[in-house]
Amino acid sequence: DAEITQSPRHKITETGRQVTLACHQTWNHNNMFWYRQDLGHGLRLIHYSYGVQDTNKGEVSDGYSVSRSNTEDLPLTLESAASSQTSVYFCASSDGGRVYEQYFGPGTRLTVT
Amino acid sequence: AQSVAQPEDQVNVAEGNPLTVKCTYSVSGNPYLFWYVQYPNRGLQFLLKYITGDNLVKGSYGFEAEFNKSQTSFHLKKPSALVSDSALYFCAVSDNYGQNFVFGPGTRLSVLP
Repeated sequence: DAEITQSPRHKITETGRQVTLACHQTWNHNNMFWYRQDLGHGLRLIHYSYGVQDTNKGEVSDGYSVSRSNTEDLPLTLESAASSQTSVYFCASSDGGRVYEQYFGPGTRLTVT
Repeated sequence: AQSVAQPEDQVNVAEGNPLTVKCTYSVSGNPYLFWYVQYPNRGLQFLLKYITGDNLVKGSYGFEAEFNKSQTSFHLKKPSALVSDSALYFCAVSDNYGQNFVFGPGTRLSVLP
């Protein structure tokens, strides 16, 4: 069955380190998204991509970057981790065609100490 | 730009009673509306969507939602609540093709036995 996976599921890192969170989907979806979820803020969009080599900034993109070299993967990189980036991160995908809903991965809990 | 409001942080309902989780939206053009559910330590799961057609939309696990264009609302309903329905519910709106999603802040539903 098609799915969307994230790794690692839990990560503890130190302030200033570079961290990359992986997202892999087997739906063959064109659209992929990264969100962070924090208490009191709901889900906030970090970056998104509508296809290979396409990336766009979302609402809270500062300190994050993404690259899309193939359809299946959209890794999220924290260039220099900060305590304010402690959060739960969700990856999602959608095909952007007749089916509109986004499908979510299980999430990565990141703690920056 | 589109926006979503969920006016209730918390909804409590007794098992077997009907439940309603409220959502209002703002979008230019035709709205594409979605409900998601999140169980503890899990990603968001798609429940149902309104794209066009009948104002009453039926979805997973016995949930349904009523689209009301004049009131710009898309309330989630279930005729008889189960304890297992206790979770965090998110309403979302998209302007076209499921690309520009905006999520509401979430409503925590507690179904009491």
